[in-house]
Amino acid sequence: QVQLQESGPGLVKPSGTLSLTCAVSGVSISSSDWWGWVRQSPGKGLEWIGQIYQTGSTNYNPSLSSRVSISIDKSKNHFSLRLTSVIAADTAVYYCARHKTATTSLDYWGQGTLVTVSS
Amino acid sequence: QSVLTQPPSVSGAPGQRVTISCSGSSSNIGAGHDVHWYQQLPGTAPKLLIYDNTKRPSGVPDRFSGSKSGTSASLAITGLQAEDEADYYCQSYDSTLSAYVFGTGTKVTVL
Repeated sequence: QVQLQESGPGLVKPSGTLSLTCAVSGVSISSSDWWGWVRQSPGKGLEWIGQIYQTGSTNYNPSLSSRVSISIDKSKNHFSLRLTSVIAADTAVYYCARHKTATTSLDYWGQGTLVTVSS
Repeated sequence: QSVLTQPPSVSGAPGQRVTISCSGSSSNIGAGHDVHWYQQLPGTAPKLLIYDNTKRPSGVPDRFSGSKSGTSASLAITGLQAEDEADYYCQSYDSTLSAYVFGTGTKVTVL
């Protein structure tokens, strides 16, 4: 069974850097899948952040691309999110997820982790 | 600034049929990109409900069905049950934005 688990600080100061890791179990991250990040601001809808392939190839939401980077560590079977120069509007529940093979859907999700941007 | 528009809420009595619309444009649904649907129960992560417009992942009841036509898509829930009370989101890809996009979300209430 594929499982994903986010981890990282729950509080980040304004102008700081948000860093999260997604641990993948039940499947090798080196499989032919894309791995992504999605966030949800409190009481709001879902926003796609970006995705990474096993080769390290990435695609980012243009609205965040100047501040975001996603990396992959195949030896640890995990991938990571980095968002710089955070502001209060970046406060959200951050989910990691797997893009289902051969489709553009997201079939497995982590439980999500709340990151609050506040001084 | 979601590019996929859904009604904020729909409701129905147990056993009834409800539908949720997802309106897009020529750069996403109308461009032929597939539409997927997610169910989000309170306090939990989204769960894939329908993928590639009409397909159900293993374990999803056949009470849930999806369709797509032109620049819009729809999710239908037949035989509505109390456990279906949740938020539902559509998702597609937008060629102009070069990004995956989600709908505005619809809250389903079982009366």
